[in-house]
Amino acid sequence: GAVVSQHPSWVICKSGTSVKIECRSLDFQATTMFWYRQFPKQSLMLMATSNEGSKATYEQGVEKDKFLINHASLTLSTLTVTSAHPEDSSFYICSATPGSSSYEQYFGPGTRLTVT
Amino acid sequence: EDQVTQSPEALRLQEGESSSLNCSYTVSGLRGLFWYRQDPGKGPEFLFTLYSAGEEKEKERLKATLTKKESFLHITAPKPEDSATYLCAVQGGSEKLVFGKGTKLTVNP
Repeated sequence: GAVVSQHPSWVICKSGTSVKIECRSLDFQATTMFWYRQFPKQSLMLMATSNEGSKATYEQGVEKDKFLINHASLTLSTLTVTSAHPEDSSFYICSATPGSSSYEQYFGPGTRLTVT
Repeated sequence: EDQVTQSPEALRLQEGESSSLNCSYTVSGLRGLFWYRQDPGKGPEFLFTLYSAGEEKEKERLKATLTKKESFLHITAPKPEDSATYLCAVQGGSEKLVFGKGTKLTVNP
């Protein structure tokens, strides 16, 4: 149980284009989903927290207009990187928590974004 | 500000050689301390949650313990398939997880 999927697993795009990454909880309803970014040999850095039907809460230093997050249902959240630049190249990972009774976050397999 | 420091950064063991990984933390109102395993190019895989000092949890060759200032992940008789990066994270007053940089474990056959 507690399986989270991400799509795509990797993507290459040209500078200036937008990329959408999907995060789905497959066997549970996720009241809260989180988006992280991980650079090589670095730890996971939280970008934003999203609750179903609400606006996402972004961490300090994360551009809201660049990283658009939509949490339209209890099983799906999307992250859109708008006008991507090479410095946006990174490993993006989502996580989901089943509900208020559990603090455990279950992570997706990650999406490798390369902007050329 | 919640902080997590993991040591060592990297650890090489021979198969069967037991050892421990350390996670030191400062947090305002600990909700939980989490251990994850991360393989290269993959998302973190949940291992344990510890909620209060003195708590211990075991899973196969892994055992996690918790004090008020640190947590240890003990690995008994490791096998090559235990090679991975082990991440520690704390959750304080909010739902946010604050991660350490991880310990990269290599177990040689």
